[in-house]
Amino acid sequence: GAVVSQHPSRVICKSGTSVKIECRSLDFQATTMFWYRQFPKKSLMLMATSNEGSKATYEQGVEKDKFLINHASLTLSTLTVTSAHPEDSSFYICSARRQGFAQPQHFGDGTRLSIL
Amino acid sequence: QKEVEQNSGPLSVPEGAIASLNCTYSDRGSQSFFWYRQYSGKSPELIMSIYSNGDKEDGRFTAQLNKASQYVSLLIRDSQPSDSATYLCAVRGGGSQGNLIFGKGTKLSVKP
Repeated sequence: GAVVSQHPSRVICKSGTSVKIECRSLDFQATTMFWYRQFPKKSLMLMATSNEGSKATYEQGVEKDKFLINHASLTLSTLTVTSAHPEDSSFYICSARRQGFAQPQHFGDGTRLSIL
Repeated sequence: QKEVEQNSGPLSVPEGAIASLNCTYSDRGSQSFFWYRQYSGKSPELIMSIYSNGDKEDGRFTAQLNKASQYVSLLIRDSQPSDSATYLCAVRGGGSQGNLIFGKGTKLSVKP
């Protein structure tokens, strides 16, 4: 199997709060993890790619100081949305991939973030 | 810019029929291809992966790849209402990270 657990599933918080989202690969070692966001009825947008023990690679237009990514182990990556504002409200989804270029990505269940 | 194109649909088929979902990609060097299913409000779920030309069958699903035409498709036989979802085509891009490039998805509706 290839199970990816993402927590929390839903967050509602006030503007200015920092929110941490965890992504864990439960039954495999994930050398690479990906963070996406998705607005309603829109396609997935890759935010960043992280390799275990390395700094994340951010996509163009994604603020690295706003979206802090840590991939400290082969089974855990975290995304922290710092000083969140209403425009950060979205569906955030992580995925994880085993070592090997041809391996598929397996997705977590996503985190629905609502900033009031 | 590397692109993956899908017809956004909605594609509507009656229960029991074959649903055919199509995808084209621009990067001729692409080697890995995936189909994901995404229910409304949920995250994508891997359905099929295909790496070489031809057909690959898994239960009611068949993926077809034609690298010369830069075309990949997904056939769903005996479609069920529970198959109603958005189907995302994803292609492994180049570069050191091997990121997936997703199409915008085709919305499939299977009518009882």
